[in-house]
Amino acid sequence: GDSVTQMEGPVTLSEEACLTINCTYTATGYPSLFWYVQYPGEGLQLLLKATKADDKGSNKGFEATYRKETTSFHLEKGSVQVSDSAVYFCALSDPEGAQKLVFGQGTRLTINP
Amino acid sequence: NAGVMQNPRHLVRRRGQEARLRCSPMKGHSHVYWYRQLPEEGLKFMVYLQKENIIDESGMPKERFSAEFPKEGPSILRIQQVVRGDSAAYFCASSQRTVYMNTEAFFGQGTRLTVV
Repeated sequence: GDSVTQMEGPVTLSEEACLTINCTYTATGYPSLFWYVQYPGEGLQLLLKATKADDKGSNKGFEATYRKETTSFHLEKGSVQVSDSAVYFCALSDPEGAQKLVFGQGTRLTINP
Repeated sequence: NAGVMQNPRHLVRRRGQEARLRCSPMKGHSHVYWYRQLPEEGLKFMVYLQKENIIDESGMPKERFSAEFPKEGPSILRIQQVVRGDSAAYFCASSQRTVYMNTEAFFGQGTRLTVV
């Protein structure tokens, strides 16, 4: 079945460091890809998305490019802030089921001042 | 426009009791999804409902779990005879159309169920 694999966490960085969180996927069709963020005690918020190959999603300084050839959707940010500390989830929309999201296991990010 | 509302936020049940989790979707949304998040894990799909219909329940445990989304009122996830392994965060999401149709799913804040 479809699956998403994320870089193992936790990840700890200093403020203003560069961030990359790796995400690769397995899908039989052409899924849409998402990054969600979960702040402590909160639900998930959509951070960015891409719906077809070579699309780049971006929001709040974060970017991710849909790479069909490497089946990847890595999350990047050039300069992180303390407020970016959260758990980040990569997800795909299941092209077979067409109704649900398939999530990676999440990567906990902590940014130190 | 209020977001997806889940209640209660925290629920404690003793083993063998019933747990009822409620989800009110965003206004105008007729698609509801339930996900379960075990500690330190990602979210796992449980069930997808439209008004009065269960469309996909492939992620629901075969026993003790049920879900409904009546014509009027919130969607309900019901867990009968809870066990310690049911302790998790349960998230509800809603959308106007199916997720695959490039429509964003909005998540509630979740209900954290603790079975003691």
